[in-house]
Amino acid sequence: EVQLVESGGGLVQPGRSLKLSCAASGFTFSNYYMAWVRQAPKKGLEWVATISTSGSRTYYPDSVKGRFTISRDNAKSSLYLQMNSLKSEDTATYYCARHPFAYWGQGTLVTVSS
Amino acid sequence: DVVLTQTPPTLSATIGQSVSISCRSSQSLLHSNGNTYLNWLLQRPGQPPQLLIYLVSRLESGVPNRFSGSGSGTDFTLKISGVEAEDLGVYYCVQSTHAPNTFGAGTKLELK
Repeated sequence: EVQLVESGGGLVQPGRSLKLSCAASGFTFSNYYMAWVRQAPKKGLEWVATISTSGSRTYYPDSVKGRFTISRDNAKSSLYLQMNSLKSEDTATYYCARHPFAYWGQGTLVTVSS
Repeated sequence: DVVLTQTPPTLSATIGQSVSISCRSSQSLLHSNGNTYLNWLLQRPGQPPQLLIYLVSRLESGVPNRFSGSGSGTDFTLKISGVEAEDLGVYYCVQSTHAPNTFGAGTKLELK
């Protein structure tokens, strides 16, 4: 059974950093592109980042480019999202997803507030 | 960026009614490799999204066959043939043909 378990969310002040993790199991992690998707409270889904199987290629929307970094450790079947210079508009539940959005974790809530 | 326009934004249905949701893209979702990367997701209240349909019309394993997807190019449709109570929630279309990947704004299915 495919499982994706996110961790690392919490309350953080504007301008600070936070790193999210996603532990994957139930499939050969290194064979799949992975993604982060977020959902602000009562809002729709927004793609945040995608990483290739080897980690050599990464993709971001303009809203987070230069502030967020997606990475992976295939030996540990883990996905990461380093978030820097956080803004209040980054407040959301962050989901880890196996591309192309076929499997999702339960999400981890990030709240950016002073 | 590709814009996916979903209609209607809200859909009221009775149990057993058949309904359709439209997803229109601002540009063709046909990839140069011949595939069309358009998926349909359902997000039930308080839950993460789940995949229903991938590659326009392929039913994800375990998804009831009352769900079906169709379309090509820029126009796509999700049909539910006989709504059941467990189908309530928000439906999203998502494309991964073009970067950046984009989601529709969602269609909320409610009980009438």
